[in-house]
Amino acid sequence: EIVLTQSPGTLSLSPGERATLSCRASQRVSSGYLAWYQQKPGQAPRLLIYGASTRATGIADRFSGSGSGTDFTLIISRLEPEDFAVYYCQQYGSSPQTFGQGTKLEIK
Amino acid sequence: QVQLVESGGGVVQPGRSLRLSCAASGFTFSDYGLHWVRQAPGKGLEWVALIWYDGEHKNYADSVRGRFTISRDNSENTLYLQMNSLRAEDTAVYYCARSRSYDYGAPDFWGQGTLVTVSS
Repeated sequence: EIVLTQSPGTLSLSPGERATLSCRASQRVSSGYLAWYQQKPGQAPRLLIYGASTRATGIADRFSGSGSGTDFTLIISRLEPEDFAVYYCQQYGSSPQTFGQGTKLEIK
Repeated sequence: QVQLVESGGGVVQPGRSLRLSCAASGFTFSDYGLHWVRQAPGKGLEWVALIWYDGEHKNYADSVRGRFTISRDNSENTLYLQMNSLRAEDTAVYYCARSRSYDYGAPDFWGQGTLVTVSS
């Protein structure tokens, strides 16, 4: 099983700042099959990025994903108030699929 | 628009069984793989199971393999999760989610979830 480790656990930033979230895999993620999700309290997760770098439909271009192999990054270029949430990475190239433990992005 | 509505959650005693359903609409159900993902109270997401578009291929997390069974009825646009030998650690909100592809793609649309509580 591929273990995904996200860092930092909590990120405290202000609106307008840039956020950099990391996801490191214990083994190579097949074909870059890495996704990022946003989850707000009481809501289902929302797909942001798939294939490591492709934005899902309707996702603002301030969200960008990059990486390959075992190291992946989600960048939010200029934080909006609605971006403060928990973010998860997921690998779906190997079974069992796995999620990271999450990064909480909070308002400073 | 894509809609996924889970049902069947509730309180169940350890060792008992429960079957979850997920009714889908707004897309061609038989063209897509489907996932179950769960989230224990206050915890992160845990992938549970996946079924391909035709029901022929299924994958499970180690924590549920042999106890849970994923299935689908393409004539009824419904996904199921049969959960047997339930344990306290199975307590979670269970989400169904559509794969981006016919097989094991990333989940792109999610239901709102149904809560399963395993307690005596």
